[in-house]
Amino acid sequence: GAGVSQTPSNKVTEKGKYVELRCDPISGHTALYWYRQSLGQGPEFLIYFQGTGAADDSGLPNDRFFAVRPEGSVSTLKIQRTERGDSAVYLCASSLAEGANYEQYFGPGTRLTVT
Amino acid sequence: GENVEQHPSTLSVQEGDSAVIKCTYSDSASNYFPWYKQELGKRPQLIIDIRSNVGEKKDQRIAVTLNKTAKHFSLHITETQPEDSAVYFCAAKEPGGSYIPTFGRGTSLIVHP
Repeated sequence: GAGVSQTPSNKVTEKGKYVELRCDPISGHTALYWYRQSLGQGPEFLIYFQGTGAADDSGLPNDRFFAVRPEGSVSTLKIQRTERGDSAVYLCASSLAEGANYEQYFGPGTRLTVT
Repeated sequence: GENVEQHPSTLSVQEGDSAVIKCTYSDSASNYFPWYKQELGKRPQLIIDIRSNVGEKKDQRIAVTLNKTAKHFSLHITETQPEDSAVYFCAAKEPGGSYIPTFGRGTSLIVHP
């Protein structure tokens, strides 16, 4: 079946602009995670959803970052007043349910470049 | 919170040799340790994992060992092939309801034909 998809695959924006990154999880997966991966680094946790609610947003770096998942499926990561330091690959992952017994499946990522 | 250190950052081997990647973690309560393979420009994919009640796990040419006392775990790849070339990430998860792993910085494995 279809895996996790993310759009756009690449996004170039100017400093100070607003961007939205979309994640379509695997159908039926209730848990959804957002990570940020900088060059030469491992994925860094941002936020986790169980259903429609953000169960853990402790990884969001500041209040310019926000994410929603209004219907418990598609999620959007929103970044306001982008800064050059926000440039990274933003990865989304989903799992059938929460917990280590359920494998996380990653999407291909959105490469964000802030100029 | 958890801190995961991974070594080496780059590993170059000849085809057929073995490769070993090592990770240490800081939180003795961590109980789940997955390994991911990420090919250039592609998504991370889980290749093997181990839980804290097991010391070793094998899957064909890949094995993972865990030493809870020393708080370190390792990935072993035998009979390496060029298609094993990728970045490998270790991760550790603390107990809790959600699965939010802390990742190492990655090891770039290069297998020369």
